[in-house]
Amino acid sequence: EDKVVQSPLSLVVHEGDTVTLNCSYEVTNFRSLLWYKQEKKAPTFLFMLTSSGIEKKSGRLSSILDKKELFSILNITATQTGDSAIYLCAAVFYNFNKFYFGSGTKLNVKP
Amino acid sequence: SAVISQKPSRDICQRGTSLTIQCQVDSQVTMMFWYRQQPGQSLTLIATANQGSEATYESGFVIDKFPISRPNLTFSTLTVSNMSPEDSSIYLCSVVGAGVDTEAFFGQGTRLTVV
Repeated sequence: EDKVVQSPLSLVVHEGDTVTLNCSYEVTNFRSLLWYKQEKKAPTFLFMLTSSGIEKKSGRLSSILDKKELFSILNITATQTGDSAIYLCAAVFYNFNKFYFGSGTKLNVKP
Repeated sequence: SAVISQKPSRDICQRGTSLTIQCQVDSQVTMMFWYRQQPGQSLTLIATANQGSEATYESGFVIDKFPISRPNLTFSTLTVSNMSPEDSSIYLCSVVGAGVDTEAFFGQGTRLTVV
């Protein structure tokens, strides 16, 4: 059965801390892994990872995919209160006809 | 990127009634999906909206409860029928563009409360 598992489910840190969010997947015909940030209703896109071992960066956020071990991590350095959100990862089928979402990690960054 | 307009953004409905949610995209897209996100939960795929044919439903979701239309490549509707309080959720429309290795874009979501 296809599945995506995220950990931890929730996390409380203080501003300035560095956090690592985990996403493991077991998906047949895997193509890509996506990370999203959800603050209110609509998730907003962060990263798409297709190749193993290539880090993607955007400001304080970075992410990498390991297709051998079937997981991805999302790192956030020097966290800010604005980083408080639910972070979702999704595994994408090869022909983009299905996206499997994990349960999400709820991050709370305290001042 | 695709710009998605989803309406209504929220509604409070009486049990036993139906609500239709609209999703309009500013460009032609290949895939359109409808998700449900119950309180404290992740996104659960309801169905894939197929242009000009019946939607493809995931396990646990049926057409009688969640009829979906997609008359063209830029528009889809999801109806939540005969609502009960258990249908209170956020409903999200999502699209995948026509390019290679494109991410999924989301509408603003509809927060539904059934009383």
